[in-house]
Amino acid sequence: DAGVIQSPRHEVTEMGQEVTLRCKPISGHDYLFWYRQTMMRGLELLIYFNNNVPIDDSGMPEDRFSAKMPNASFSTLKIQPSEPRDSAVYFCASTAGTGFYNEQFFGPGTRLTVL
Amino acid sequence: AQSVAQPEDQVNVAEGNPLTVKCTYSVSGNPYLFWYVQYPNRGLQFLLKYITGDNLVKGSYGFEAEFNKSQTSFHLKKPSALVSDSALYFCAVRPPWGQNFVFGPGTRLSVLP
Repeated sequence: DAGVIQSPRHEVTEMGQEVTLRCKPISGHDYLFWYRQTMMRGLELLIYFNNNVPIDDSGMPEDRFSAKMPNASFSTLKIQPSEPRDSAVYFCASTAGTGFYNEQFFGPGTRLTVL
Repeated sequence: AQSVAQPEDQVNVAEGNPLTVKCTYSVSGNPYLFWYVQYPNRGLQFLLKYITGDNLVKGSYGFEAEFNKSQTSFHLKKPSALVSDSALYFCAVRPPWGQNFVFGPGTRLSVLP
């Protein structure tokens, strides 16, 4: 199994530009999570999906952030327009919901730098 | 609301010595508790979990954790630390009714040769 796949691994952009981060969860997993990690705030849950449906987006910082999951094997996190304070590492994770005690599997992350 | 505390930002230990990384939690009901490790420029990797049963849980790479319900703690331990154990460690709690993990702030472990 290839694990959770994220792309790109690194993204450098200028303030005001649109940024799209991509995630492919592990096949068969029905829950997908997006996290943001910064030195100041640690690891924050942004949004999670169950069977492609957003369940809780209360962690999305503002309307500039949006996430979609058009099918079971693909999700995107979009920032438009991007700002320097969005610079962080963004992780995608997935898990199988058949057992409430299942651990999450994390992707390698996308390091976003907004200049 | 559930929460997780890791009271130490940094733990330093000499190679070969035992290590402990502390975690306390607050959640209603019986929680599911997890430890993850993050190496530089990598995603989080699962180490071990407590669901029910024996309070001492054994996990990957020789790590173990002890669940203490009365103290609401889930400390991570290893009898003999390795330099390669140096990483960032996260404790996480998940309530029994949902999928939402809450992660602690992380503890940076440095094992000195």
